[in-house]
Amino acid sequence: EVQLLESGGGLVQPGGSLRLSCAASGFTFSNCAMSWVRQAPGKGLEWVSAISGSGDNTYYADSVKGRFTISRDNSKNTLYLQMNSLRADDTAVYYCAKWVGGAVAGPFDYWGQGTPVTVSS
Amino acid sequence: EIVLTQSPDFQSVTPREKVTITCRASQSIGSSLHWYQQKSHQSPKLLIKYASQSISGVPSRFSGSGSGTDFTLTINSLEAEDAATYFCHQSSNLPRTFGQGTKVEIK
Repeated sequence: EVQLLESGGGLVQPGGSLRLSCAASGFTFSNCAMSWVRQAPGKGLEWVSAISGSGDNTYYADSVKGRFTISRDNSKNTLYLQMNSLRADDTAVYYCAKWVGGAVAGPFDYWGQGTPVTVSS
Repeated sequence: EIVLTQSPDFQSVTPREKVTITCRASQSIGSSLHWYQQKSHQSPKLLIKYASQSISGVPSRFSGSGSGTDFTLTINSLEAEDAATYFCHQSSNLPRTFGQGTKVEIK
């Protein structure tokens, strides 16, 4: 059974940093591209970042480019999102989601349960 | 950036009615359009991939159609458990984008 378990969310002051993690199981992690998608309170879904299965290729939404860094440790089956210079509009539930294959292509076939991030003083 | 516009934003429907949700892309995306269902306080779940391809385990009352810029999600004979928000998502171009969502309420 595929499982994606996010952690690391919480309350942080504007300008602060957080590191999110997503522990994966039930599939061959290194074979699958992964992504972070966020959802602000009462709002829709916003794609944040993606990384290929090998980790060689990374992609970012303009809204987070230069502030967020996606990475993965295939030996630990874990996806990360390092978030720096956080702003109030980064407040959201952050989901990790997987693609079927190693490339950043197609639909997300599984999603985690999400971890909430609140940026507030 | 490809903008996806869903309509309607909200729909209140009686059980066993048919529901139709549309998703229009700001430019052609071929068949690279996928649909998700998000129930209250849950994460999204994949319903339909590549505009019309069914997903194992998803009830057959859910179907999709379309290509290019205009897509449709149809729920035949709505059931109470289908109360949710439905999102379309394009995988044609980066950045990946989603529609704003359509909330379906059961009357």
